[in-house]
Order: sequence, then structure tokens, then C-alpha cells
Amino acid sequence: GAVVSQHPSRVICKSGTSVKIECRSLDFQATTMFWYRQFPKQSLMLMATSNEGSKATYEQGVEKDKFLINHASLTLSTLTVTSAHPEDSSFYICSASPGDSNQPQHFGDGTRLSIL
Amino acid sequence: AQSVTQLDSHVSVSEGTPVLLRCNYSSSYSPSLFWYVQHPNKGLQLLLKYTSAATLVKGINGFEAEFKKSETSFHLTKPSAHMSDAAEYFCVVSAADTDKLIFGTGTRLQVFP
Repeated sequence: GAVVSQHPSRVICKSGTSVKIECRSLDFQATTMFWYRQFPKQSLMLMATSNEGSKATYEQGVEKDKFLINHASLTLSTLTVTSAHPEDSSFYICSASPGDSNQPQHFGDGTRLSIL
Repeated sequence: AQSVTQLDSHVSVSEGTPVLLRCNYSSSYSPSLFWYVQHPNKGLQLLLKYTSAATLVKGINGFEAEFKKSETSFHLTKPSAHMSDAAEYFCVVSAADTDKLIFGTGTRLQVFP
């Protein structure tokens, strides 16, 4: 089945550093990828939609300069949390869509980000 | 606008007994509905999806869900719970004309021996 690889699985870093998270579709081309944030014991909140070759579309309330998204190829999207602070600590999950309306989104295993 | 409501934040069952996780949806058009499962510190795995074909949808691991338009429900069931079913379950609806997914608040399933 379709596989989405997300890396790293866990990051611990100091406040003020920037952190890059990669999301790769391993066996299909993903014209669209999605980035979610999940707080403890809560549901997933869509942060942005990443479109290959164009600018990402951010949901209301998500700072685009804080959460930089790049979708340079049909198999890779990256999320960079710039100048991270403790309130950015969260579980970040990506998903990829094959672009076929009959195909569901496939999710990565998530990245646990902890900012000290 | 589309939305889903998961009626129970926690469900506890004994191993071998039936599972019922409830979900109601709101949609101005014929929706696509999904159930995803999330184990601790993991991403989401698709259990099943409804896309206007058969109203009774069979998924993986013995789960199934029935789309009931008259009740605007899409409840998830399993005849016999297994310890490995303990996880967080999300009912999800797709937004109109986009690939965006709208998640319910989740139901934590506990299975006791």
C-alpha cells in the first residue's frame, strides 16, 4: 500500500532554533500534501495545504512566516518551524494525497517536537 | 459547511465484546466519510471509507461502519474487541470540492482483559 515517510520522528531542541520536518511519499506522486498539528489528547488541526510547485495555502490563524512549507517535488514536502519556542512543542503530522479523488490521504507517523 | 461530531470521548469495553463508536456528520452534499485509527505517538491509519457506494462499509481488522443518511450517522462497529484495538479513533469528513479532511474530536477506546 501507499507509504508516507515522515522524518525525524522526534526532535528536542533549544528555544530559538529552526527545525525542519520532511514528508515523503515513497511509492506514489503527491501533488498535494497536508500538514497537521495535534495537541495532547486532542484532534488534528490542519495547518496548511502544500501544493507542488506553488505556494502553500495556510489555514486561518497559522503564521506562514513561522511555519515555512516547501513542496519542491512530487514526493517531498518540508515544514520548517522557524525560531521555535516552547509553545511550538507539539505533534506534527503530514499526509499526502495521490490526487485521485477515490484514493484516501496517507499519513506519516508524525514528528514529536519538544522545544526546551 | 461540513463537520463531524463524535459523541463519546472515551469508550471502554471488555475483550471479546462488541465495539460501537458513534459519529454524526453534517454536510450540505453527499459526503465522503472516513474512520482513522491512531496508536500512541503514531500517525493515522485508514480503517475504512464511504464514498456513496454501498452504505455498509467493511474495513480492516474486522471493523465496519454503516452510512445512515436519515440519521446523518456513520457509526463504527466491531463484533468482538481485541486488546490491540485500544487506540484513538477519528471520524472524518472530506470538505466539498477539496482534498481537505475535517476531523472529529476523537474517541479513545480502552479494551480491558
